[in-house]
Amino acid sequence: GNSVTQMEGPVTLSEEAFLTINCTYTATGYPSLFWYVQYPGEGLQLLLKATKADDKGSNKGFEATYRKETTSFHLEKGSVQVSDSAVYFCALSDGTGGFKTIFGAGTRLFVKA
Amino acid sequence: NAGVTQTPKFRILKIGQSMTLQCTQDMNHNYMYWYRQDPGMGLKLIYYSVGAGITDKGEVPNGYNVSRSTTEDFPLRLELAAPSQTSVYFCASSMTERPETQYFGPGTRLLVL
Repeated sequence: GNSVTQMEGPVTLSEEAFLTINCTYTATGYPSLFWYVQYPGEGLQLLLKATKADDKGSNKGFEATYRKETTSFHLEKGSVQVSDSAVYFCALSDGTGGFKTIFGAGTRLFVKA
Repeated sequence: NAGVTQTPKFRILKIGQSMTLQCTQDMNHNYMYWYRQDPGMGLKLIYYSVGAGITDKGEVPNGYNVSRSTTEDFPLRLELAAPSQTSVYFCASSMTERPETQYFGPGTRLLVL
């Protein structure tokens, strides 16, 4: 069945450092891929998405490219800020709606000033 | 708008006790969901609803019950709490069944001892 694997955390970075959070997936067909972010005390919110191979999703300085050949959707940001400290979830949907969204375990990011 | 609210934020239960996790949304969304997240794992769907009076099982429904008497409220009932139900519970709602349209609550942390 479908699955999502993302790197374990926590990830601790200094402000302005480069961020990569790895995410790989297993799926049949052509799923849509998502990154969600959960700030302290809040619910998950969609950060970015990509719906087909080679698509690049981007938002708030974060980017992720849908790589079908490596089944990956790694999250990157060139210069992190303290306010980026949160938990990041990679997820996929096989097109059957929100009922079948598969989430990764989440990666906690701490950014130090 | 408050979005999706969940109560309580944290609860400790003894084995065999019952409780209801409350979820309310003020966005007039038809679709509502309950997920659980176990340590080191991704979110898993417990139950979902496509409208008032309609509910259906997700991936891990055993030990839980839900009801949807109004558009706004989607309570999750644990009848006989077990240690295996120790988890973080997220409620979500959406206008459509597309996963990127989901709004999540901040979660309820439940500990069963």
